Amino acid sequence: AQSVTQLGSHVSVSEGALVLLRCNYSSSVPPYLFWYVQYPNQGLQLLLKYTSAATLVKGINGFEAEFKKSETSFHLTKPSAHMSDAAEYFCAVHGDNFNKFYFGSGTKLNVKP
Amino acid sequence: EAQVTQNPRYLITVTGKKLTVTCSQNMNHEYMSWYRQDPGLGLRQIYYSMNVEVTDKGDVPEGYKVSRKEKRNFPLILESPSPNQTSLYFCASSLGLAMANEQFFGPGTRLTVL
Repeated sequence: AQSVTQLGSHVSVSEGALVLLRCNYSSSVPPYLFWYVQYPNQGLQLLLKYTSAATLVKGINGFEAEFKKSETSFHLTKPSAHMSDAAEYFCAVHGDNFNKFYFGSGTKLNVKP
Repeated sequence: EAQVTQNPRYLITVTGKKLTVTCSQNMNHEYMSWYRQDPGLGLRQIYYSMNVEVTDKGDVPEGYKVSRKEKRNFPLILESPSPNQTSLYFCASSLGLAMANEQFFGPGTRLTVL
């Protein structure tokens, strides 16, 4: 069965510092992996996705993620945090049945001035 | 404008009083899904629909019903709401998940069951 685990429910960084949000997956089939972002009082929007075309995936707003099969990880990074990056971030994976979808528990990113 | 709309956005009700949360999309998407979001649990899938008249259970379907009579609409029905269904609900639509297509989310419905 598919699942994702996000380490750290809250992460705090200073503006300009590196952002690293961790996600590990469990999958019995080659996974499609996603990062979604939720800004306060809004729905979710797609940041980036991994579909096996390339292990380093670039997304919107300067975010990227690297798929590492040996570590079953798909960590999200951004070189320099901006105040506008403050939001909750969710890692997600398809189920074995591609119509099912599983989200991690989320990581709230706080950016300090 | 391409969008997923949900109504109502906020709802306070009492235990046992049937309610329906509507969801509509204008992107001609075949796939639609309902999720509930609870603190510390992320989003969990309630039901999904691959096309008109085709629905299936997600991870937490108990206490919910859905229907898909038209492509654009996917209402969520709580026949006898209970306090443990107090949550933030999101509807989403997609061209289809098999090709890792993006899901587009509605703005959410905050439901409180007293």
